[in-house]
Amino acid sequence: QKEVEQNSGPLSVPEGAIASLNCTYSDRGSQSFFWYRQYSGKSPELIMFIYSNGDKEDGRFTAQLNKASQYVSLLIRDSQPSDSATYLCAVNMRPNFGNEKLTFGTGTRLTIIP
Amino acid sequence: ETGVTQTPRHLVMGMTNKKSLKCEQHLGHNAMYWYKQSAKKPLELMFVYNFKEQTENNSVPSRFSPECPNSSHLFLHLHTLQPEDSALYLCASSQDQLEPLHFGNGTRLTVT
Repeated sequence: QKEVEQNSGPLSVPEGAIASLNCTYSDRGSQSFFWYRQYSGKSPELIMFIYSNGDKEDGRFTAQLNKASQYVSLLIRDSQPSDSATYLCAVNMRPNFGNEKLTFGTGTRLTIIP
Repeated sequence: ETGVTQTPRHLVMGMTNKKSLKCEQHLGHNAMYWYKQSAKKPLELMFVYNFKEQTENNSVPSRFSPECPNSSHLFLHLHTLQPEDSALYLCASSQDQLEPLHFGNGTRLTVT
């Protein structure tokens, strides 16, 4: 069974600090990686996507991908209380049978402490 | 309206009822999806439609029946559900399969 794993948390980070969210995946052939943010009672919204090894920065968010280690992370700089949410890691995987499809982790609940 | 719209937002139904969930996307996307989100479990892909054709049925019980009349509309017909089917049902769309997903607000379903 091909999987995406995240620490469910909760992860508590002081306001203004860097929040680091981690995700590992089991399919070495995966090529596309996504981070979604989900506020309580709301639907997931796309934060970042990354396809190549290395870092990708967008404002206060940085996605980091290491395909050799099968590891993708999301860094949030200058954390704000509004960043408190559940962060879902999603990876396109090719199952043993059928089409490639997006597989989600269980999410990490992040709380920013004022 | 923009984005992905789902109705109803909340639904309570008995196990013998028949109901339908509706999803509409205004993004010009070619692929539409149904996901199920239960507490403490990963989002579960149920169905995928690409250019109105079903390309994925992720071993979903037949009491869930999808319908995609065109690339902008997607339905999920429900009948004889079980209490364990209570969950948040999310519709999503993407430009093509494997592209980033845009989610609707979801339907919170409770089966009594």
